[in-house]
Amino acid sequence: QSVLTQPPSASGTPGQRVTISCSGSSSNIGTNFVYWYQQLPGTAPKLLIYRNNQRPSGVPDRFAGSKSGTSASLAISGLRSEDEADYYCATSDDSLNRPVFGGGTKLTVL
Amino acid sequence: EVQLLDSGGGLVQPGGSLRLSCAAFGFTFSNYAMSWVRQAPGKGLEWVSVISGSAGSTYYADSVKGRFTISRDNSKNTLYLQMNSLRVEDTAVYYCAKGVNRVVVAATLSWFDPWGQGTLVTVSS
Repeated sequence: QSVLTQPPSASGTPGQRVTISCSGSSSNIGTNFVYWYQQLPGTAPKLLIYRNNQRPSGVPDRFAGSKSGTSASLAISGLRSEDEADYYCATSDDSLNRPVFGGGTKLTVL
Repeated sequence: EVQLLDSGGGLVQPGGSLRLSCAAFGFTFSNYAMSWVRQAPGKGLEWVSVISGSAGSTYYADSVKGRFTISRDNSKNTLYLQMNSLRVEDTAVYYCAKGVNRVVVAATLSWFDPWGQGTLVTVSS
C-alpha cells in the first residue's frame, strides 16, 4: 500500500465543489512540500499544484491546494466534465529518503 | 516549449534487459535533475530513480536498486534508464520527468514538471 493515503474515488456534479484528501505522517507531509498531479485518461501526469498551494501557469484557479499538519487537500470548485481524471498527491519522505505518492483518487463527474 | 520524449519500451522476457531513453527539448538540460517514474497497469505512480544535472548523484527505489542504472548524456540532451534482470513486476509505463533544481534536493524531489508521454515495458515469457 502507498505511504500517502487518498480515497480511491470521489465524485460530484458539474458546478459542485469536491475535495480530495491526502494523509501522511511527520516524516513526509508534516515536514515537506506537497505536490498534486492530474492524470487524464490515457495521458501522462501533469503538475497541478506545487509547494502545497501554488498553481503553475495555465492551471485554473478552480484548483486549490492546502496543507495542515500531516494532511493535505486538493479542492476543485466549479466542477467541469473535463476534470474527470485521476489525482495523485506526492511529497518527499525523510525516513525513506525518496519521493512518495498517494494511491490516487479517481474523480468522476456525474 | 519544454518537451520530453520517452522511447525504448517493449516486450522482454524475465531476466532480460532493456534501455529506455528520454530526449529533452526546450530547456538547458544540464541545469536540471531528471527522474524516472513508473505506473503498473491500472495502478498508481511509483518513483524509480533520479539523477542530478551533472550526473554526480543518483538515487534509486529499493525495488530496482542493483538492477537499474540511471544515466544522462548532457551533450545529447538525453536521459537513460538501463534495466537489467527484469522481473514480471517491472511491467509498467515508464515516464521521464524534469526536476526543478540542478542538484537533488529533498524539498523539491517530488516536483516533476513536465513528464514525458511514457513508454510501455512489458516483462513476460
